[in-house]
Amino acid sequence: DTAVSQTPKYLVTQMGNDKSIKCEQNLGHDTMYWYKQDSKKFLKIMFSYNNKELIINETVPNRFSPKSPDKAHLNLHINSLELGDSAVYFCASSQGANGELFFGEGSRLTVL
Amino acid sequence: AQSVTQPDIHITVSEGASLELRCNYSYGATPYLFWYVQSPGQGLQLLLKYFSGDTLVQGIKGFEAEFKRSQSSFNLRKPSVHWSDAAEYFCAVAPDYKLSFGAGTTVTVRA
Repeated sequence: DTAVSQTPKYLVTQMGNDKSIKCEQNLGHDTMYWYKQDSKKFLKIMFSYNNKELIINETVPNRFSPKSPDKAHLNLHINSLELGDSAVYFCASSQGANGELFFGEGSRLTVL
Repeated sequence: AQSVTQPDIHITVSEGASLELRCNYSYGATPYLFWYVQSPGQGLQLLLKYFSGDTLVQGIKGFEAEFKRSQSSFNLRKPSVHWSDAAEYFCAVAPDYKLSFGAGTTVTVRA
């Protein structure tokens, strides 16, 4: 069983479209994250939820909206996609704030 | 705010040779320190972590790292590299939920 699974793995879309990425973890963790990895492989945290509550919200455009329906799921919806949104988006989970993150395989978003 | 510096962007090493990846951190208190590895097309996997105690920590896949407070460093080592160690390596610091990553070091292994 995959511990942290993301769908879709690849996403190609046009500028201006809206898209969503889903994430599920079966580790029983209480905290989930979204990270963005740019073309230079730099990883930056976007959001974090602990027990469905938003605890980290970095300087991310309002076009990005996370939603956590329960502790095991954290989805990312992106409105009005721009070229600069092209990246690999990683979902991760952890138990508490110990920094031991379990990552999904990533969702590669390409905006044309 | 905490930060992590990985001075080496790319390292090439021969199979069987030793490997050392450098990591320097900036943080006011005792940090939690981590090394993660990212194989091509994959997510990140935790190699090892330092919270407190013994400054030499052992991880998976034969890796170890040494915490040196005086040098603000947490360097990763492996005595004998295998071709499967070719990957991107990230050092990270986490005082809380916000894990901050370095820019990564790409390791290429030549036969």
